[in-house]
Amino acid sequence: DQQVKQNSPSLSVQEGRISILNCDYTNSMFDYFLWYKKYPAEGPTFLISISSIKDKNEDGRFTVFLNKSAKHLSLHIVPSQPGDSAVYFCAAKGNAGGTSYGKLTFGQGTILTVHP
Amino acid sequence: NAGVTQTPKFQVLKTGQSMTLQCAQDMNHEYMSWYRQDPGMGLRLIHYSVGAGITDQGEVPNGYNVSRSTTEDFPLRLLSAAPSQTSVYFCATSRDVEYQPQHFGDGTRLSIL
Repeated sequence: DQQVKQNSPSLSVQEGRISILNCDYTNSMFDYFLWYKKYPAEGPTFLISISSIKDKNEDGRFTVFLNKSAKHLSLHIVPSQPGDSAVYFCAAKGNAGGTSYGKLTFGQGTILTVHP
Repeated sequence: NAGVTQTPKFQVLKTGQSMTLQCAQDMNHEYMSWYRQDPGMGLRLIHYSVGAGITDQGEVPNGYNVSRSTTEDFPLRLLSAAPSQTSVYFCATSRDVEYQPQHFGDGTRLSIL
């Protein structure tokens, strides 16, 4: 049972436009959400996160939105740059009340390609 | 400051062989974990440790052993390698079990023939 899902395996965007990556989750015990970026032959690197008590967090060109009622989060990249081309993983952390406490559950990843 | 160091970067094994994937960190982090990444599956947690002497199973622990005798090191052992264990393995650390984000090493690409 996939508790965190990224239903789009890939996304292609023109440079300068907005990239929107989506993630859905099923476990209501998740209390913190993260986005990681991964280049080939490297480990995932942290990009941005959001607590379940917020609905938006912004860091430069990157904004994460959380809709708790829909159990949905999205990552917006504006403007997109060719260097943003990578695999993006969303991840969710379980809260202290559940069996997933402290553990990260990852989505399958979305390959973002930004064309010059 | 090396962060999280994984060795080796690449390894090819034959079915039935054993080996140890090394993970070392110099950030004095209490929490360490092992993930495997397979196509279409994202990263799945194998084992984790909340501190020296304490380990626990993650989502896909079968076929793997871990130990945590020091804060710095968290080796992952494959007891009898199987082709299904062909994957990319990542070690990750964080200050403690609650604190995020986790910091990842660059991975070990393992092929089992």
